[in-house]
Amino acid sequence: KQEVTQIPAALSVPEGENLVLNCSFTDSAIYNLQWFRQDPGKGLTSLLLIQSSQREQTSGRLNASLDKSSGRSTLYIAASQPGDSATYLCAVRSDDYKLSFGAGTTVTVRA
Amino acid sequence: ETGVTQSPTHLIKTRGQQVTLRCSSQSGHNTVSWYQQALGQGPQFIFQYYREEENGRGNFPPRFSGLQFPNYSSELNVNALELDDSALYLCASSLAAGTFEVQYFGPGTRLTVT
Repeated sequence: KQEVTQIPAALSVPEGENLVLNCSFTDSAIYNLQWFRQDPGKGLTSLLLIQSSQREQTSGRLNASLDKSSGRSTLYIAASQPGDSATYLCAVRSDDYKLSFGAGTTVTVRA
Repeated sequence: ETGVTQSPTHLIKTRGQQVTLRCSSQSGHNTVSWYQQALGQGPQFIFQYYREEENGRGNFPPRFSGLQFPNYSSELNVNALELDDSALYLCASSLAAGTFEVQYFGPGTRLTVT
């Protein structure tokens, strides 16, 4: 059974600081890994999708890396802004139909 | 192209009652997955429907059931509601049921069981 862990559970940084969010998974046989953003009480917004053959993906200030062999992914957010405050979820696809999610890291960016 | 929509947005039910949640998939998508997200936790997979057939199921009891219609919209039904069923229910659609298909999520339905 795939287990996904995200550390830390919560993070508070001053505006402008770079954010580093970690995700680990127990079964390295994955098809892809996805990072989502979730605002309080809302649905999920996909940020980045990394296929198993890729090492990283970038979108604007966001960069996600994937080390499948060690079961780890890191999401970097450069020059954080108050609007980046949200919960960030990591999810892996390791079978035909479902995503396995971590519990998320709740980020607060202080102005 | 419209995104994934869910209804209702919120609802409150009493323990023992039954509830039906609805999801309209993104245009052209034939696969719908349902997830339950308890407060402070990540979403947990309930089941997936592909072309009106259940395609996979997570660790949820049979009182959680679903349907997918010919237009690929979907329903999640929960019977004999329990307090622990209080959660955000998320629906996700994808173009097909393959392993590399991206799932697009709706805004969710917040269910409160009292």
